[in-house]
Amino acid sequence: KNQVEQSPQSLIILEGKNCTLQCNYTVSPFSNLRWYKQDTGRGPVSLTIMTFSENTKSNGRYTATLDADTKQSSLHITASQLSDSASYICVVSDRGSTLGRLYFGRGTQLTVWP
Amino acid sequence: NAGVTQTPKFQVLKTGQSMTLQCAQDMNHNSMYWYRQDPGMGLRLIYYSASEGTTDKGEVPNGYNVSRLNKREFSLRLESAAPSQTSVYFCASSAIAGADYEQYFGPGTRLTVT
Repeated sequence: KNQVEQSPQSLIILEGKNCTLQCNYTVSPFSNLRWYKQDTGRGPVSLTIMTFSENTKSNGRYTATLDADTKQSSLHITASQLSDSASYICVVSDRGSTLGRLYFGRGTQLTVWP
Repeated sequence: NAGVTQTPKFQVLKTGQSMTLQCAQDMNHNSMYWYRQDPGMGLRLIYYSASEGTTDKGEVPNGYNVSRLNKREFSLRLESAAPSQTSVYFCASSAIAGADYEQYFGPGTRLTVT
């Protein structure tokens, strides 16, 4: 069964600290993996997208890694800011259909305290 | 550019009432999608429209109908609302349907059915 699991479910860190969010997936055949940021009351916004051959992708203070062999991804946030408080969603897509279905994780709720 | 817009932002319905959620995009995208997001769950695809004039069922289509009014607009209709349809609804669009193409999300409609 195609699934995307994220951990931790929630995380609280102090402003300026780093953190790492985890994503494990069983989606096959794999197409790509995205990390989205969803602010409270808003729609998800894409941070990074990685294909099978990419190990690392950065977007400012956000760095995503992908290990396609173990089917794991992580999102590392450096020098956190209050504006990083949001839900971070891992999304994996497959090549098993014309549409390329997206499988959404439940998200990690990150809270950054001053 | 506004991107993807949704109306209304909030709605309360009584069981059995009907309503239509509106979505419009100004990015000249071919494909549009409707998702629902429930607490503790990942986003789930309700219906999608790969191109103007076509619509297809997603993962959870029961109780919903859609209309691709033109290239810009994609509406979601609840004919007889049920409490189980209490959720946050997101519309998204992409240039082309498929795993390789970024989906851009609207701000969401928060629907409560009592």
